[in-house]
Amino acid sequence: DAGVIQSPRHEVTEMGQEVTLRCKPISGHNSLFWYRQTMMRGLELLIYFNNNVPIDDSGMPEDRFSAKMPNASFSTLKIQPSEPRDSAVYFCASSGQASYNEQFFGPGTRLTVL
Amino acid sequence: QQQVKQSPQSLIVQKGGISIINCAYENTAFDYFPWYQQFPGKGPALLIAIRPDVSEKKEGRFTISFNKSAKQFSLHIMDSQPGDSATYFCAARDNYGQNFVFGPGTRLSVLP
Repeated sequence: DAGVIQSPRHEVTEMGQEVTLRCKPISGHNSLFWYRQTMMRGLELLIYFNNNVPIDDSGMPEDRFSAKMPNASFSTLKIQPSEPRDSAVYFCASSGQASYNEQFFGPGTRLTVL
Repeated sequence: QQQVKQSPQSLIVQKGGISIINCAYENTAFDYFPWYQQFPGKGPALLIAIRPDVSEKKEGRFTISFNKSAKQFSLHIMDSQPGDSATYFCAARDNYGQNFVFGPGTRLSVLP
């Protein structure tokens, strides 16, 4: 079975540019989570969706960040405009009703904003 | 109150030794406590988890000890191996939501 798929795996961009990170959750899972990981702040939940509906976006740092889940198999996290302090590893995770106690993480996208 | 505290920040253990990582929480609504293991360049993966109705859970060399009254739980890795070298996160989830609150992580190095 394919796990959570994220793309790109690495992204290098310049300050001010728009960045879009993509995630495909595990088929059948109905909850999707976006996390950001840095050395300073650890693993932070940015937003999570349940049945494609955003449930809690209190972790989204500011209006420059937005996330969508147009269908059950795809989600995006967009940063516009990007800033150097956004440099981090962004993880997508999913969980299902049958396995709601476990979140399955993707491999992450390492974002570097110059 | 949503915070999960974790210590130590880093840990170095000799092969064959016992690794112990401690976590503490405040929110009494938390009802599920997983531990995640993360290798460099990978996403975290579930290692072992416990509910507060038991005081201990063991899976192979990994044991969670849970103290409900003290609101503390810990991970013990027996006979630590170099392959256990990774970052370990404790986490907690309350019975109202699906999102986890993660501790800051412990970087474990097991020396050969």
